[in-house]
Amino acid sequence: AQSVAQPEDQVNVAEGNPLTVKCTYSVSGNPYLFWYVQYPNRGLQFLLKYITGDNLVKGSYGFEAEFNKSQTSFHLKKPSALVSDSALYFCAVRDISSGSARQLTFGSGTQLTVLP
Amino acid sequence: DGGITQSPKYLFRKEGQNVTLSCEQNLNHDAMYWYRQDPGQGLRLIYYSQIVNDFQKGDIAEGYSVSREKKESFPLTVTSAQKNPTAFYLCASIGQVSNQPQHFGDGTRLSIL
Repeated sequence: AQSVAQPEDQVNVAEGNPLTVKCTYSVSGNPYLFWYVQYPNRGLQFLLKYITGDNLVKGSYGFEAEFNKSQTSFHLKKPSALVSDSALYFCAVRDISSGSARQLTFGSGTQLTVLP
Repeated sequence: DGGITQSPKYLFRKEGQNVTLSCEQNLNHDAMYWYRQDPGQGLRLIYYSQIVNDFQKGDIAEGYSVSREKKESFPLTVTSAQKNPTAFYLCASIGQVSNQPQHFGDGTRLSIL
């Protein structure tokens, strides 16, 4: 079985400050990890993914994420937050050895608010 | 541009009525998915289909039905057996390569009249 936890329902940060949105996962094999962003009444937009290799992954809009196998974490980061980054963020995992038809398991989401 | 189109954007259901949500993709993707999104609960998988004329139940399939007669289309019917259908419904698809992200449509918001 695979699962994802996003321990913070809400994260507030001042514009220009660094931001971190936390994600931990559980899989029996090796993970593919994804971050998505959702704006109100819209679908999910892909931000970045970890497949293999470098633990620091860079994605869209200046976001990056660090894969930490020992802590089973994949936290999303950005060095300088913008008000336009305010949105709902989802972490998702797929166990590459599970044979589960490319299914993703999503976290419950973290609402990021960037204050001007 | 390639993408996923969901329609309608907003849908209202009367008691005892079945309603069908449309999902069409022109990405030539094999697999398609339906998710339900409720506030604070993330996305829950309703049904998925890996190939035409085949589909499997997800975690919350009760009260829903699907068909996959064409590669491009994966409609979801919310039946009268679904007692709490008010939610945001998202359709997604993915191609053959398993390490690629799922692509999402812009969703349909279903409410009860």
